[in-house]
Amino acid sequence: GNSVTQMEGPVTLSEEAFLTINCTYTATGYPSLFWYVQYPGEGLQLLLKATKADDKGSNKGFEATYRKETTSFHLEKGSVQVSDSAVYFCALSPTGANSKLTFGKGITLSVRP
Amino acid sequence: GAGVSQSPRYKVAKRGQDVALRCDPISGHVSLFWYQQALGQGPEFLTYFQNEAQLDKSGLPSDRFFAERPEGSVSTLKIQRTQQEDSAVYLCASSSRTYNEQFFGPGTRLTVL
Repeated sequence: GNSVTQMEGPVTLSEEAFLTINCTYTATGYPSLFWYVQYPGEGLQLLLKATKADDKGSNKGFEATYRKETTSFHLEKGSVQVSDSAVYFCALSPTGANSKLTFGKGITLSVRP
Repeated sequence: GAGVSQSPRYKVAKRGQDVALRCDPISGHVSLFWYQQALGQGPEFLTYFQNEAQLDKSGLPSDRFFAERPEGSVSTLKIQRTQQEDSAVYLCASSSRTYNEQFFGPGTRLTVL
């Protein structure tokens, strides 16, 4: 079946540091890939997505590239801010509309001033 | 406009009690999903509706779990004879046919004593 593996956390960084959060997946076919973020006290929000190989999703300074050869979708940001402190989830869904999401365990990011 | 809302936000039940969790999706959203999120884990799929039809209930963990969406809008997730292992956050998400992105509600935190 489908699965998503995220690197172990938590991650603590200083403001303006470079961020990489690793995500790899197992799936049949060509899934769509997502990063969701959960800020303290809020619900899950879509951060970015990519729907086919070599696509790059980007939003709020975050980027992730769909790498089919390595089955990866690593999240990066060049300079993190305190406001980026949150829990980040990598997820996939099978090809096609309205398909259920399979999530990784999530990783907590804390950014120090 | 209004997002996905869920009620109650918190529910404490004694083991063996029945509970009902409500989800109000974004108006006009055809698809509705329920997920279960255990502490420290990513959300796991429970069931999926398209309008009033329950098209996938493969994630429901036992026959004590039942979901309905009789008029294709509001949905209720019912858990009968609650057990301690049912303690989790229950998330609802909805999506439109056009954009496919799932919008999540704030969740209901269920604690079974």
